[in-house]
Amino acid sequence: KQEVTQIPAALSVPEGENLVLNCSFTDSAIYNLQWFRQDPGKGLTSLLLIQSSQREQTSGRLNASLDKSSGRSTLYIAASQPGDSATYLCAVGGGSNYKLTFGKGTLLTVNP
Amino acid sequence: NAGVTQTPKFQVLKTGQSMTLQCAQDMNHEYMSWYRQDPGMGLRLIHYSVGAGITDQGEVPNGYNVSRSTTEDFPLRLLSAAPSQTSVYFCASSYAVGVYGYTFGSGTRLTVV
Repeated sequence: KQEVTQIPAALSVPEGENLVLNCSFTDSAIYNLQWFRQDPGKGLTSLLLIQSSQREQTSGRLNASLDKSSGRSTLYIAASQPGDSATYLCAVGGGSNYKLTFGKGTLLTVNP
Repeated sequence: NAGVTQTPKFQVLKTGQSMTLQCAQDMNHEYMSWYRQDPGMGLRLIHYSVGAGITDQGEVPNGYNVSRSTTEDFPLRLLSAAPSQTSVYFCASSYAVGVYGYTFGSGTRLTVV
């Protein structure tokens, strides 16, 4: 059974800092990995999608990497801003039911 | 292009009542699914559909029913609401699973009293 772990569970940083969020998964038989952002009381906003054959994806200040063999992904946020404060969720796609298996998220707070 | 639309946004039910959570997408996505999000449990798959007329169970299907008569709509029915079904429900869709990512709706917050 696929299990996804996100570390740390919570992170508080001053504005302008570069930071890394970690995601690990137990079964490397995935077809992709997706990072989401969730604001309090809101839905999930897709940030980056990495196919299993890819090593990384970039969008603006965000960079996500994938090491399928070791079961790890990182989300790098450059020059963090207070508007980046949210919960970040890592989800891996795989299995015959095409389901996404989610981690429990990292709650990020960026202080002005 | 509205994406994935869920209604209602909030709902309070009494134990034993039934209701339908609506989900519609206008992106011509074949794959649609329902998740529930609970504190400490993360998001879990309830039911999914790979196309009109085809549905299947996810990891927590008990107490829920789905149908897919059109590509656009994928309603989730609670047959007899229980307090354990208090949760936030998200509908998600994808154009091609494994190739494209998932788009999520804004959620329905359901409380069963």
